[in-house]
Amino acid sequence: QKEVEQNSGPLSVPEGAIASLNCTYSDRGSQSFFWYRQYSGKSPELIMSIYSNGDKEDGRFTAQLNKASQYVSLLIRDSQPSDSATYLCAVRNFGNEKLTFGTGTRLTIIP
Amino acid sequence: EPEVTQTPSHQVTQMGQEVILRCVPISNHLYFYWYRQILGQKVEFLVSFYNNEISEKSEIFDDQFSVERPDGSNFTLKIRSTKLEDSAMYFCASSPRVGRGGPLAKNIQYFGAGTRLSVL
Repeated sequence: QKEVEQNSGPLSVPEGAIASLNCTYSDRGSQSFFWYRQYSGKSPELIMSIYSNGDKEDGRFTAQLNKASQYVSLLIRDSQPSDSATYLCAVRNFGNEKLTFGTGTRLTIIP
Repeated sequence: EPEVTQTPSHQVTQMGQEVILRCVPISNHLYFYWYRQILGQKVEFLVSFYNNEISEKSEIFDDQFSVERPDGSNFTLKIRSTKLEDSAMYFCASSPRVGRGGPLAKNIQYFGAGTRLSVL
């Protein structure tokens, strides 16, 4: 059973529109949730972290967490071509240090 | 802005050879990690290291792998006898330690640029 699942995409969104990325996780003991952005051939770069149910906003990015549904999402408003990348959902479980990553969703912003 | 530094950026080796991948974590960080990413696949946890010992490791991190913090700044990953399937991007990460019993959940891991290991 996969621990962290993401739609691999590719997800194509017109420039200026809202991109919506989704992630589900299997372990109810999951405590911390992260969205990383990874450009091709580069390292993961933290975009957002979220720990409590609800929404967390940072600039054009909003993370949403629903622990009852074991679901976390990332919304990108006013999408820019520079947002084109693979977005990785990562989860940390209670008592663990390791991050468990999903396979990532490849996002393409169309000018 | 402080960053995690990894060297070399690309390492080519023959199967069966030993390799050492090097990392300089962010200076005031206390937790160190190695992850790997095989081309086209997800990022996978290998090992975490705290207070000069391994705190957690995955099933990937077998006897062929070892980690060391030889001095106050470097953190290394050694692969004793490389296999073809060890070819991957290896990422080092570090995080500050908030404190035992503290909000460890909020510990953010910062990744280095990675070392691409090619085993021929």
